[in-house]
Amino acid sequence: AQSVTQPDIHITVSEGASLELRCNYSYGATPYLFWYVQSPGQGLQLLLKYFSGDTLVQGIKGFEAEFKRSQSSFNLRKPSVHWSDAAEYFCAVGRMYSGGGADGLTFGKGTHLIIQP
Amino acid sequence: DTAVSQTPKYLVTQMGNDKSIKCEQNLGHDTMYWYKQDSKKFLKIMFSYNNKELIINETVPNRFSPKSPDKAHLNLHINSLELGDSAVYFCASSQDLEGSGANVLTFGAGSRLTVL
Repeated sequence: AQSVTQPDIHITVSEGASLELRCNYSYGATPYLFWYVQSPGQGLQLLLKYFSGDTLVQGIKGFEAEFKRSQSSFNLRKPSVHWSDAAEYFCAVGRMYSGGGADGLTFGKGTHLIIQP
Repeated sequence: DTAVSQTPKYLVTQMGNDKSIKCEQNLGHDTMYWYKQDSKKFLKIMFSYNNKELIINETVPNRFSPKSPDKAHLNLHINSLELGDSAVYFCASSQDLEGSGANVLTFGAGSRLTVL
């Protein structure tokens, strides 16, 4: 079964500083990988996804992520954070059900990002 | 227009009561889901429906019963509510890409259930 690990529960970054959120996955085949963001009291919004091709993917709000198969990682980065980036960030991997079709996502436990002024 | 809408947004009720949460999507997606987010923000899939057919039931007590009257709706009914059912419940939908895991989920804003 697939699994996702986000080793950092909380990260504090100064406004304007760079950011990297870590994500490691466990999956037997080529993974489909996602990053979602959840602002307080809100639903989840897709930041970016990796299906195939270029291992560096660009997303919304200035975020990017790099897929590294050798490290089973899909870390999220941003060169300069803004106070509005404070939120919960979730890494996820696509699921497959036994019938062979796609079936939602398995999420990591999330990383809570705090922005210091 | 909201793509995935859930009602109610907040629900406060007593233990033992029965309650429902409704979800509708106007994206024309084939698959709909219910996820539960606990107090530690952990998201866990509960059910998925593809074209009104139940695909996954992830070790959820049978007090929880999903109902999908049509492809655009997936409701969640909970009987005999317990304190541990307090959580945020998210509905989501995706377009089924058969044979792959490459489906992008669109989430609703969540329904916060508090059981007293």
